[in-house]
Amino acid sequence: AQSVTQLGSHVSVSEGALVLLRCNYSSSVPPYLFWYVQYPNQGLQLLLKYTSAATLVKGINGFEAEFKKSETSFHLTKPSAHMSDAAEYFCAVSGPFSGGYNKLIFGAGTRLAVHP
Amino acid sequence: GAGVSQSPSNKVTEKGKDVELRCDPISGHTALYWYRQSLGQGLEFLIYFQGNSAPDKSGLPSDRFSAERTGGSVSTLTIQRTQQEDSAVYLCASRLGGVQETQYFGPGTRLLVL
Repeated sequence: AQSVTQLGSHVSVSEGALVLLRCNYSSSVPPYLFWYVQYPNQGLQLLLKYTSAATLVKGINGFEAEFKKSETSFHLTKPSAHMSDAAEYFCAVSGPFSGGYNKLIFGAGTRLAVHP
Repeated sequence: GAGVSQSPSNKVTEKGKDVELRCDPISGHTALYWYRQSLGQGLEFLIYFQGNSAPDKSGLPSDRFSAERTGGSVSTLTIQRTQQEDSAVYLCASRLGGVQETQYFGPGTRLLVL
């Protein structure tokens, strides 16, 4: 079965510090991988995605993620946190072992807090 | 352009009542999804529509849940005989093209079953 694990339900960083949100997947076939952000009382917004092209993916708002097959990871990073980055972040996967690439399987989410 | 819209934004109902939740996808998007977001279960896939194909209902938690998509556009998720464990945010998403394309999410309907 295919699943996704986000390490750390809560992450707190100082404004200007590096943001690192961890995501690991379990699948024998490299899946498609996504990071979404959810601001309070809003839907999900795509930050970036990996669909078997370049392993280093750049997204919106200065975020990027690197697909590492050997580590089955897709960690999200941003060099310098802004107060406006405070939100919940979800890693998601899709692939052949989850019923097809049509379905997204989400991690439990990581709530990012940014303090002055 | 307009994004995915959902109505109502909030719904409070009594246990045992039926509810209908509506989703208007982005115009021209052929794929439509329903997900449920709850504290205990996180984000779960419920159902997927693609064009005129039979929907993938594999995520529906019970036969009290059903969904339809009329004319390849608007979708309604119906929950019959609601239970307190149905309380959650129900999210709709739509997608334009193939599986590599982005799913765009609506703001959700927050359902509270008393």
